Amino acid sequence: ETGVTQTPRHLVMGMTNKKSLKCEQHLGHNAMYWYKQSAKKPLELMFVYSLEERVENNSVPSRFSPECPNSSHLFLHLHTLQPEDSALYLCASSQDRTTVISGNTIYFGEGSWLTVV
Amino acid sequence: ELKVEQNPLFLSMQEGKNYTIYCNYSTTSDRLYWYRQDPGKSLESLFVLLSNGAVKQEGRLMASLDTKARLSTLHITAAVHDLSATYFCAVAGNQFYFGTGTSLTVIP
Repeated sequence: ETGVTQTPRHLVMGMTNKKSLKCEQHLGHNAMYWYKQSAKKPLELMFVYSLEERVENNSVPSRFSPECPNSSHLFLHLHTLQPEDSALYLCASSQDRTTVISGNTIYFGEGSWLTVV
Repeated sequence: ELKVEQNPLFLSMQEGKNYTIYCNYSTTSDRLYWYRQDPGKSLESLFVLLSNGAVKQEGRLMASLDTKARLSTLHITAAVHDLSATYFCAVAGNQFYFGTGTSLTVIP
């Protein structure tokens, strides 16, 4: 148990569906992240939120829409996805955005396996 | 963009043997992280290396960092089956940059 909880763990959706992934962290952290993990590719950082404000968006297609209503919750809204979007989506959190610089680590959830059919 | 390369990508080794996983990165950084991921599970932090020459050990795993060579190693001593997992290194720039991972299988 890492203190970062993701739901659902598995999701199958059609290309015309709209669904959302949810992440909740119980660590009192101020920064939250969405990563995409595809087979045989490095983890890709998608979005970074610090104190509920989006601070980074790594050229992610608009069919992925993040939402951070408070520092404990992070959503990834999905619509009109493509089969190549099938992957493991990992949520993570850290004490704050500068944790990456100061050397403390980030904590990952167990991920949501997404299959687009 | 900072690039991180791990090798090997796949490693099959017998119990009791030693081996090293390598992590090379493309630009200057003195902060390197190692993670472990079991199938269907989250990434678990193993080591945080924060300076040139840093060495950390936990059980049968030992990680080191050479910032001048832009190289980190994860050495496995006398491998056991429980070490079977995928190991990732990550380098801190303005974000975390992850390697592709090394899938380790320890064979009895």
